Amino acid sequence: DTAVSQTPKYLVTQMGNDKSIKCEQNLGHDTMYWYKQDSKKFLKIMFSYNNKELIINETVPNRFSPKSPDKAHLNLHINSLELGDSAVYFCASSQGPGQGGNEQFFGPGTRLTVL
Amino acid sequence: GDSVTQMEGPVTLSEEAFLTINCTYTATGYPSLFWYVQYPGEGLQLLLKATKADDKGSNKGFEATYRKETTSFHLEKGSVQVSDSAVYFCALSDQWTGGFKTIFGAGTRLFVKA
Repeated sequence: DTAVSQTPKYLVTQMGNDKSIKCEQNLGHDTMYWYKQDSKKFLKIMFSYNNKELIINETVPNRFSPKSPDKAHLNLHINSLELGDSAVYFCASSQGPGQGGNEQFFGPGTRLTVL
Repeated sequence: GDSVTQMEGPVTLSEEAFLTINCTYTATGYPSLFWYVQYPGEGLQLLLKATKADDKGSNKGFEATYRKETTSFHLEKGSVQVSDSAVYFCALSDQWTGGFKTIFGAGTRLFVKA
């Protein structure tokens, strides 16, 4: 019954590696997001997709590439991982632009540690 | 640009104490306002929301009123419990050229002691 799920929950990897995080929502929402939360709990939007179309692309290194194969999935691929990429990454979804006040539903997070 | 400012934590209270976490915002349009809560090791979840001025959002004993005149959305609870220990985020959702964007405050950590 999980509404927004992410895999893996923990990811430990070496600098320079490439890794992916997967996200799926079963809420029938049109819009999905990726956020990065740093060690001080500050939450920053990275990307947003509406119906598989990229609508928000914040100032994020181009080593980060989102992919939305359909509107229920939004994956995040990261190339050439750096120490500063260590954080918790949250996927979220919402009904659609402006619907429901844009209430967002979050996944449980993926804790990425780059060694 | 739009922004959200909330009081710095941590906030430490004894059980049954009164809680206020201040939140103010700046926005160019007419945003919706939210409080989200994050329990340890979990994602954020919506606590309450208000979509227009003077609306009061409430849930689980928490409440907040959308005050347009003071651009505030302060979170209150009359009697906190140990289980309320978490990080609380104030947020706004506003329209921009690409659609709608949500801006989160920096979060306020609450510790409640038994």
